[in-house]
Amino acid sequence: KQEVTQIPAALSVPEGENLVLNCSFTDSAIYNLQWFRQDPGKGLTSLLLIQSSQREQTSGRLNASLDKSSGRSTLYIAASQPGDSATYLCAVRPLTSNTGKLIFGQGTTLQVKP
Amino acid sequence: DVKVTQSSRYLVKRTGEKVFLECVQDMDHENMFWYRQDPGLGLRLIYFSYDVKMKEKGDIPEGYSVSREKKERFSLILESASTNQTSMYLCASSLKGTNEKLFFGSGTQLSVL
Repeated sequence: KQEVTQIPAALSVPEGENLVLNCSFTDSAIYNLQWFRQDPGKGLTSLLLIQSSQREQTSGRLNASLDKSSGRSTLYIAASQPGDSATYLCAVRPLTSNTGKLIFGQGTTLQVKP
Repeated sequence: DVKVTQSSRYLVKRTGEKVFLECVQDMDHENMFWYRQDPGLGLRLIYFSYDVKMKEKGDIPEGYSVSREKKERFSLILESASTNQTSMYLCASSLKGTNEKLFFGSGTQLSVL
């Protein structure tokens, strides 16, 4: 059974710092991995999607990497800002899912202090 | 931009009431999903639909039903609301390809008293 883990559950950094969020999954048989952002009391916003054949995706200050064989993904945030404070979730789409069902991690709550 | 709209931001209901949560998407997505999100439990899939009138149970379908009469609308129904159904409910949609992003609504915080 696919399981997705994100450690740590919470992270606090000073503004301007570069940081890495971690995501691990137990079964490498996936179509893709997505990173989402969730602000308090709101829905999720998709940040990046990495297909299983890709190694990384970039969007602005965000860079996501995927090492499928080791079951790991990282989300790198450069030059963090207070506006980056949110919960970040990763999710994988298993190869067994032909309807788009995702398996989510529990998220890492990031606080960027001014 | 894709827009997924949930009809209510906050909802307060009484135990035993029938509750309808509505979700509408404007991008002709085939797939639609209902999740609930609880502290410490993360997101759990309740039901999903991959076409009009088609539905499949997710991981926690007990106490819920769904309706998809039109492609753009996916409704979640709590037949007889209970206090353990107090939660944040999130609707999402996607195209049916294998590498399509999932788009979420803003969520409905439901309290059952």
